[in-house]
This record gives sequence, C-alpha cells and structure tokens, in this order.
Amino acid sequence: GEDVEQSLFLSVREGDSSVINCTYTDSSSTYLYWYKQEPGAGLQLLTYIFSNMDMKQDQRLTVLLNKKDKHLSLRIADTQTGDSAIYFCAEIPATGANNLFFGTGTRLTVIP
Amino acid sequence: GAVVSQHPSWVICKSGTSVKIECRSLDFQATTMFWYRQFPKQSLMLMATSNEGSKATYEQGVEKDKFLINHASLTLSTLTVTSAHPEDSSFYICSARGGANEQYFGPGTRLTVT
Repeated sequence: GEDVEQSLFLSVREGDSSVINCTYTDSSSTYLYWYKQEPGAGLQLLTYIFSNMDMKQDQRLTVLLNKKDKHLSLRIADTQTGDSAIYFCAEIPATGANNLFFGTGTRLTVIP
Repeated sequence: GAVVSQHPSWVICKSGTSVKIECRSLDFQATTMFWYRQFPKQSLMLMATSNEGSKATYEQGVEKDKFLINHASLTLSTLTVTSAHPEDSSFYICSARGGANEQYFGPGTRLTVT
C-alpha cells in the first residue's frame, strides 16, 4: 500500500527558513498536499501541487516536487512563531477512492 | 476558502451510550466526505468514505456496525459511535472534497468515553 514518510521533528529560529521533507512510495500519485495542524485543532490546507508540476510558490510557502525521487518538500520563508505546528504531507494516489494518505507529520518548533 | 464545520467540538459520554458527530460543508456541496480518526501524537487514519445517497465505504478493520455513517445531503454527513467504549476515545476529523480534488477539514471532535 501507499507509504508516506516524514521526519518527526524540526526546530528553527524565528526568521530563518524551514524545510519540511516528505517521501512517498506511490509513483502514480496525482495530487500532493501540505496540511498544518495546530494543537487540538483540525487540519488546515496550506497548499497542494499537481504531479506534473515541479514547483509551486504561494507567498512564504514554496513546494518542490521531485517525482523521480518521490520527494516532496515544503519551504517556509521567514518562519514565525505562529508557524509552530504539525505539518502533514498527504497524497491522493491515481487509483482508489480519492481519499488522502497522510504522512506521520513533522512537528515544527520555532524558537524566538 | 471552503469551510467545514463539525459539531460538537468535544463530547464526554458514558460507556455504552451512543454519540453522533455532524460534519457540514458550509459554503459548498460535497458529494464525498471522509471520516478520520487521530490518536494522540499520531497521524490521521481514514475510517470511511461517505458518499451522498449511498452506503459508506469502510476501511479494513473499521466496524461498520459500530461507526454508523449517514450522508443524508450534499452538505451533511454524520458519524454515530454506537455503544461507545473507552478505547473509542479519540479525535475524530471529517473532511469534505471540493473541486480540483481539494479536501477541506473540519476542526475535529474530541470524544472521551468514561
């Protein structure tokens, strides 16, 4: 089955850039997503990228997709304390019911 | 952006009782909604896919008679946890699928069974 992996923790200093990485196994993934979850809350869709794209930029967020290596990354420029949260990458494979498969989540801690 | 609400946001119930959780898409219609369960410090696990007007599709290992799902309209899906037990205590999150394969998540419902 599909497998989506992330490192569990990342700490950065306020103002620096954060890079959160994700690897996946299903080469037929159509859409790949980044979600943010703050403590005790649901998931907030940050951005997504279609599999035929290499990069997508949205204000402070940059998503890079290396389809050959099945590697997805989320870069947050000028990281702020409000960015502290858990970040999940997720994919929708080409086959199946269009449900999302989530990574384990990366807990980002921003140090003031 | 699209908004999905859940009600209640938290609930405490006694063991053996049933609890209903509502998921609503507020400003768009969703033919497909998904129910996820999240244990503390863990990722989300898909429980079932809810399709408007038809029976839900449950993931392997999820008891359909225990977790009843009804998708009565294009904006409402409900999850009923029947005969709840302490091991059912968890964070339940729904999502609704909009256009372009975007999924929007509700704020979650924290269920505690005593």
